[in-house]
Amino acid sequence: GAGVSQTPSNKVTEKGKYVELRCDPISGHTALYWYRQSLGQGPEFLIYFQGTGAADDSGLPNDRFFAVRPEGSVSTLKIQRTERGDSAVYLCASSSSGGEGGYTFGSGTRLTVV
Amino acid sequence: AQSVTQLDSHVSVSEGTPVLLRCNYSSSYSPSLFWYVQHPNKGLQLLLKYTSAATLVKGINGFEAEFKKSETSFHLTKPSAHMSDAAEYFCVVRGVTSGTYKYIFGTGTRLKVLA
Repeated sequence: GAGVSQTPSNKVTEKGKYVELRCDPISGHTALYWYRQSLGQGPEFLIYFQGTGAADDSGLPNDRFFAVRPEGSVSTLKIQRTERGDSAVYLCASSSSGGEGGYTFGSGTRLTVV
Repeated sequence: AQSVTQLDSHVSVSEGTPVLLRCNYSSSYSPSLFWYVQHPNKGLQLLLKYTSAATLVKGINGFEAEFKKSETSFHLTKPSAHMSDAAEYFCVVRGVTSGTYKYIFGTGTRLKVLA
């Protein structure tokens, strides 16, 4: 597509529930990144995919967080047993190769855990 | 490890006056540096990037930034602020952590433009 698409744009869920956040990157971009932006903070790295594989998942805060990119295009960030502290804007970005020229970000999914 | 420090969390300017948003970086090698802007409820938009070519980088919407190695700075400037410039601005370094290149963001500077 023309840009990075994230769905849903907003998600409200109850504490303890499971959520999935979707990212559709720019067509042909091999690299895909997930970031989390808490209120008043800069985005923090979660996970990086090169193709289908997770090249770096060092930013995932704990084992409740998991992400997949099975066909090297769309990615899904999955959060189990959500906690109120997971409330944030989850940003997805894609780039060609290693991102030297810049990432293109989606508009984000605002997750609220009540 | 690479990092960026944005020296001001909030900056207020009057419309038509110059804008200066400050950023200092830390890197053991010549870094790639970026400025992104984030308007309310919108995605991050790339303003400009420095990748070891010219030290004065021109971006979109009249913004520019100068890479100063001696001062480890990459400040963002604009000669005349417009109301539409009100937004959050992030300085970013592309650096290696945990073995892979990734963007490392500063904490952001919120720019307010007064009429």
